[in-house]
Amino acid sequence: EIVMTQSPATLSVSPGERATLSCRASQSVSSNLAWYQQKPGQAPRLLIYGASTRATGIPARFSGSGSGTEFTLTITSLQSEDFAVYYCQQYNNWPLTFGGGTKVEIK
Amino acid sequence: EVQLVESGGGLVQPGGSLRLSCEASGLTFSIYAMTWVRQAPGKGLEWVSAISGNGGSTNYADSVRGRFTVSRDNSKNTLYLEMDSLRAEDTAVYYCAKCFSAGNRDYYYTDVWGKGTTVSVSS
Repeated sequence: EIVMTQSPATLSVSPGERATLSCRASQSVSSNLAWYQQKPGQAPRLLIYGASTRATGIPARFSGSGSGTEFTLTITSLQSEDFAVYYCQQYNNWPLTFGGGTKVEIK
Repeated sequence: EVQLVESGGGLVQPGGSLRLSCEASGLTFSIYAMTWVRQAPGKGLEWVSAISGNGGSTNYADSVRGRFTVSRDNSKNTLYLEMDSLRAEDTAVYYCAKCFSAGNRDYYYTDVWGKGTTVSVSS
């Protein structure tokens, strides 16, 4: 099983600042990596797939990068609606696996 | 608009069974692979199971293999998760989610999610 490790567990950021979230895979997942956003009481929402492609309707302030085992989600100029939990997920191998999540909170 | 609506959750005793359903609308259901993902209270996301568009290929997390069965009825636009031998650790919100498909290939990331149905396993 591929283990996905996200860091940090919690990120405190002021509105308007930049947030950088990391996701590491225990073995290569090529570019088969997705990022999701989840707000309390809601289902997750797809942000990024293919490591760097924004899903439909996702603002340009969200960007993904990386390949192989190291991935980054960057949110430039955080808006109030961006404070949430973010998960990475690999879909290169079975079983599919998620990272433990990074909570982005208001500083 | 694509919509997924889960149902069938509830309170069940350890060792019991439950069948979850997920009704899809606004899409050609048979084209898309589907997955089940769960989230225990206060915890992260855990992938449970996936099924191809024609139902011919299924996959399971180790934690549920042999106890859960995923299936679909494309004539009814409905996905199912049959859960047997339920344990306390199966307590979670269960989401069904649609996978992306392009060029006759399935990509197992999920672009549409239902709101979830809650399963509680307790005596």
